[in-house]
Amino acid sequence: QKEVEQDPGPLSVPEGAIVSLNCTYSNSAFQYFMWYRQYSRKGPELLMYTYSSGNKEDGRFTAQVDKSSKYISLFIRDSQPSDSATYLCAMSLTGNQFYFGTGTSLTVIP
Amino acid sequence: DAGVTQSPTHLIKTRGQQVTLRCSPKSGHDTVSWYQQALGQGPQFIFQYYEEEERQRGNFPDRFSGHQFPNYSSELNVNALLLGDSALYLCASSSGTGGETQYFGPGTRLLVL
Repeated sequence: QKEVEQDPGPLSVPEGAIVSLNCTYSNSAFQYFMWYRQYSRKGPELLMYTYSSGNKEDGRFTAQVDKSSKYISLFIRDSQPSDSATYLCAMSLTGNQFYFGTGTSLTVIP
Repeated sequence: DAGVTQSPTHLIKTRGQQVTLRCSPKSGHDTVSWYQQALGQGPQFIFQYYEEEERQRGNFPDRFSGHQFPNYSSELNVNALLLGDSALYLCASSSGTGGETQYFGPGTRLLVL
């Protein structure tokens, strides 16, 4: 069983839609949860970081962590064509070694 | 403020050769982690360097080795290259107390023929 499971998509939505991206994980000891955005042929760009459980909001982005269900989510409101990218979830026990999902490919259609 | 930089951007090698990739961390960061990202996959943790020592290692063979210099820059060395080593190699930097905020460089794309 993989440490982190993420639906690879692809996901295609119209501009302005609310996007929901999700990951599940198997290790209940994970404490650090991250979301990265990766454009084609570029390095991942940090979007959101959450420690332990709860919600975090930053502009159009909201990250949620449900440790009881071992499930994390990223919501994107008012999606824009510039949001088209691959979204990677990542998590860690200690904040050193991170385990990544395979990434979800998102396309926002104008 | 320069972010994480990596060199070279692209590299082509043949099976059996050796390769060295380089990384300079973001200003103020002292910890460097290396990841391998195969096409269509998420990054896989190779190892992390802090205070010039390997602090943690993922599930990679000894053919993968590294080094960190006093200025916090780092090298990743891969010996006896295999076709399966073809991937994007990413460097991430963070501060030493905890790697939770890791910033990635643009990566080095390695092709092994």
